[in-house]
Amino acid sequence: AQSVAQPEDQVNVAEGNPLTVKCTYSVSGNPYLFWYVQYPNRGLQFLLKYITGDNLVKGSYGFEAEFNKSQTSFHLKKPSALVSDSALYFCAVRPFSTGTASKLTFGTGTRLQVTL
Amino acid sequence: DGGITQSPKYLFRKEGQNVTLSCEQNLNHDAMYWYRQDPGQGLRLIYYSQIVNDFQKGDIAEGYSVSREKKESFPLTVTSAQKNPTAFYLCASSIMDTQYFGPGTRLTVL
Repeated sequence: AQSVAQPEDQVNVAEGNPLTVKCTYSVSGNPYLFWYVQYPNRGLQFLLKYITGDNLVKGSYGFEAEFNKSQTSFHLKKPSALVSDSALYFCAVRPFSTGTASKLTFGTGTRLQVTL
Repeated sequence: DGGITQSPKYLFRKEGQNVTLSCEQNLNHDAMYWYRQDPGQGLRLIYYSQIVNDFQKGDIAEGYSVSREKKESFPLTVTSAQKNPTAFYLCASSIMDTQYFGPGTRLTVL
């Protein structure tokens, strides 16, 4: 069975400082990895994904994530945080599959709080 | 304007009543999904559908039912058999491995 761990319930960072939101995963075979962001009372917005290729993936709003196979991690990063980045962030994983539907497993989420 | 719409945004239900949550997409995606979100638990998969007239149970299907009569529509019915239905419900559709989400429906049982 696949699983995702987001070890921090909340991450606090000052505006302008770099931020990291951690994610580790467990899956059989090669993973497909995703990051989503959720603002209050809204749906999830897709940020970025890793399927194959370069371990450093760039996504929306200046976010990037680094895939580390040996550590089974996919940490989300941003060089300079903004107050508007404050939201709930979800990491998700699925195994490689040729099926039409992609059955994702989500972490429990990490709340990012960026302060002035 | 393409996207996924969910209605209503807020829904209140009395105990013992069935309610149906709407999900419509005009993205021409084949696959659609329903998730339930509870505080501190992330998202849990209720049902998913890969094509019209076909759907599979997810991890927490008990007390829920779905239909997929049209490619664009994937309604979710929360039945009276669902013991704790108060939650935020999210619909998604997917293409090329990526799921895209609607704005959600918040269901409250009174």
